[in-house]
Amino acid sequence: EPEVTQTPSHQVTQMGQEVILRCVPISNHLYFYWYRQILGQKVEFLVSFYNNEISEKSEIFDDQFSVERPDGSNFTLKIRSTKLEDSAMYFCASSAGTGDTGNTIYFGEGSWLTVV
Amino acid sequence: AQSVTQLGSHVSVSEGALVLLRCNYSSSVPPYLFWYVQYPNQGLQLLLKYTTGATLVKGINGFEAEFKKSETSFHLTKPSAHMSDAAEYFCAVSGTGRRALTFGSGTRLQVQP
Repeated sequence: EPEVTQTPSHQVTQMGQEVILRCVPISNHLYFYWYRQILGQKVEFLVSFYNNEISEKSEIFDDQFSVERPDGSNFTLKIRSTKLEDSAMYFCASSAGTGDTGNTIYFGEGSWLTVV
Repeated sequence: AQSVTQLGSHVSVSEGALVLLRCNYSSSVPPYLFWYVQYPNQGLQLLLKYTTGATLVKGINGFEAEFKKSETSFHLTKPSAHMSDAAEYFCAVSGTGRRALTFGSGTRLQVQP
């Protein structure tokens, strides 16, 4: 069964450093997402991406964050200058684009980011 | 605006007992409703979803949920709990014109032998 894959599974970084989290969405999907889950809290939407541009973003997704689809398969989340409060599990996800917003969103297994 | 409330952050049942996990939503547009499960150290896996049509939806692993518009609810049930059902369960909502999901805070299900 096709799946969303994410790397790295776990990354430890020093405060102020840049981090790039990588994702390979399901190959025929057109919509890509990043969500995060701070330990013990709910899963929160960060950003959605379609046709090489951001289609929707939350208030969490400020200027410290950026997303990119550098080639035909990868989808990345960059955090420019990490803060302690960025420590969380980051989930990449994708969905097919048929115009029905009830499409299932498929999630990867997550990248656990620890900022020290 | 959309929101999801999951009543009970922890639910404990005995193996073989009924599982009932509660979810209420708020949405200004007709909702699409989802239940996801998260096993320890794993990602989110879709259990089932409601978009349109039949209000009782069946999912994987014997789970089902019923959309009740009048009660703005989408409770998840399973007739007989299994030890392997122990996990965290998240209810989520999206809606027309909005692809992003809004999640509830999750319910951790514990199954006692």
